[in-house]
Amino acid sequence: EVQLVESGGGLVQPGGSLRLSCAASGFTFRSYWMHWVRQAPGKGLVWVSRINTDGSTTSYADSVKGRFTISRDNAKNTLYLQMNSLRAEDTAVYYCARGGGGSCYDWGQGTLVTVSS
Amino acid sequence: DIVMTQTPLSLSVTPGQPASISCKSSQSLLHSDGKTYLYWYLQKPGQSPQLLIYEVSSRFSGVPDRFSGSGSGTDFTLKISRVEAEDVGVYYCMQGIHPLTFGGGTKVEIK
Repeated sequence: EVQLVESGGGLVQPGGSLRLSCAASGFTFRSYWMHWVRQAPGKGLVWVSRINTDGSTTSYADSVKGRFTISRDNAKNTLYLQMNSLRAEDTAVYYCARGGGGSCYDWGQGTLVTVSS
Repeated sequence: DIVMTQTPLSLSVTPGQPASISCKSSQSLLHSDGKTYLYWYLQKPGQSPQLLIYEVSSRFSGVPDRFSGSGSGTDFTLKISRVEAEDVGVYYCMQGIHPLTFGGGTKVEIK
C-alpha cells in the first residue's frame, strides 16, 4: 500500500523558515517524480513544486521560486521542501504526491503551515 | 500558465441520478507525445485529494466504473452515472503541462 506521510508543519513568523518532509513507503520511491501541492484554508489546490526521479530536475510555481527548494533522498525514501522567507500567503496545508512529471497519483494527508506573527 | 475553468461551481444531486462536471482549458492539453494530460480528483470532506481519472478517460485503480471522463483538446467532462452518498466532496480537474494548474473545484452534495 502506498503511504505518504508529511511532517514538519507548524506556526512560523513572517520571514521565517520551515522544512517539510514526506516519508514514502509501499512503492519504489526512486522511480517516481514527486510533487508538493498546497491548499490555503477553504481554498482550492495549487501546485507548488516537483522533482524528477534522481533529483536532477526541479520546477517551481512562480509564487515560490527563489524562496522554496524541493529535494529528495532516495536512500531514505524521503521528499523535502525547504521554505524560506515565508509570507502570510504561504499559509496552507501542504500535500506531497507521487506521480509522473505532469501527474499526481497518490497524496499524503498533508501538513499545516501557518505563517503569522 | 494554462487556466482551468470548471462549471458548475456546485451541484446538488439526488442519489441514483447522474451528474456531469465540465472543465475547459485556456489552451490545448494535447502534448507532443500524443497524450492529453487531464486529470480528475475528488477531495472528500476532511480528506486529501484522490485521483479518479487520468489522461482524460482512464480510471485510476479502485475507482468505481460509475465515474467516466471524456473530452479532447480544451473541453473535458467528468460524468457520474449514478451518484451515491459517498461521492460528496469537491471535484477538481488538473492539467499536467508545466506549470501544473487546477480548476477552481465543483462542490457536489446530495439532495
